[in-house]
Amino acid sequence: DAGVIQSPRHEVTEMGQEVTLRCKPISGHNSLFWYRQTMMRGLELLIYFNNNVPIDDSGMPEDRFSAKMPNASFSTLKIQPSEPRDSAVYFCASTDNYSNQPQHFGDGTRLSIL
Amino acid sequence: KQEVTQIPAALSVPEGENLVLNCSFTDSAIYNLQWFRQDPGKGLTSLLLIQSSQREQTSGRLNASLDKSSGRSTLYIAASQPGDSATYLCAVLSRGGSEKLVFGKGTKLTVNP
Repeated sequence: DAGVIQSPRHEVTEMGQEVTLRCKPISGHNSLFWYRQTMMRGLELLIYFNNNVPIDDSGMPEDRFSAKMPNASFSTLKIQPSEPRDSAVYFCASTDNYSNQPQHFGDGTRLSIL
Repeated sequence: KQEVTQIPAALSVPEGENLVLNCSFTDSAIYNLQWFRQDPGKGLTSLLLIQSSQREQTSGRLNASLDKSSGRSTLYIAASQPGDSATYLCAVLSRGGSEKLVFGKGTKLTVNP
């Protein structure tokens, strides 16, 4: 089992640029989650998908953020345009049973916006 | 709105000591409570998941308890080892309304050899 795979591991870019984060969930998992972790706010859910359909995007901070899941094996989180306050570690997680099984996390993408 | 609090924020103990990490939550309408471990620069690793109908779960040297009515959980680590050094996060999966995993800010544990 390869686990949840995120890319890139690190991203440094200038403000105003478009940033795309990628996630491959564990095969067979039907729920996928995007989280953001900062020192100030801790770990926060941005959006989650069930069977490729967005269920709750209430955590997406602004319209600059968007997420897609075109198929069961791939999801993207896009920030356009990026701002310095978007700097954080972004995690993707997946599970095969939302209410009964633990979520499995990727190693995250450390994003720095200059 | 569910809120999860973990105390203490940091803990340093000598190797071999038994220790308890605390977690409290404000809304008892939950599906489950989960404990995770996070190593520096890494994602979260699930340690234990306690369903709302359960009182405790055990895995090796780890034991987690859940008192839903009082909104509390503890993670007990027996015979601590330097390899246990990490940040431990508690999270609850709330029922109704916004059904999402809400995390505490974690307890950073250091076990000194």
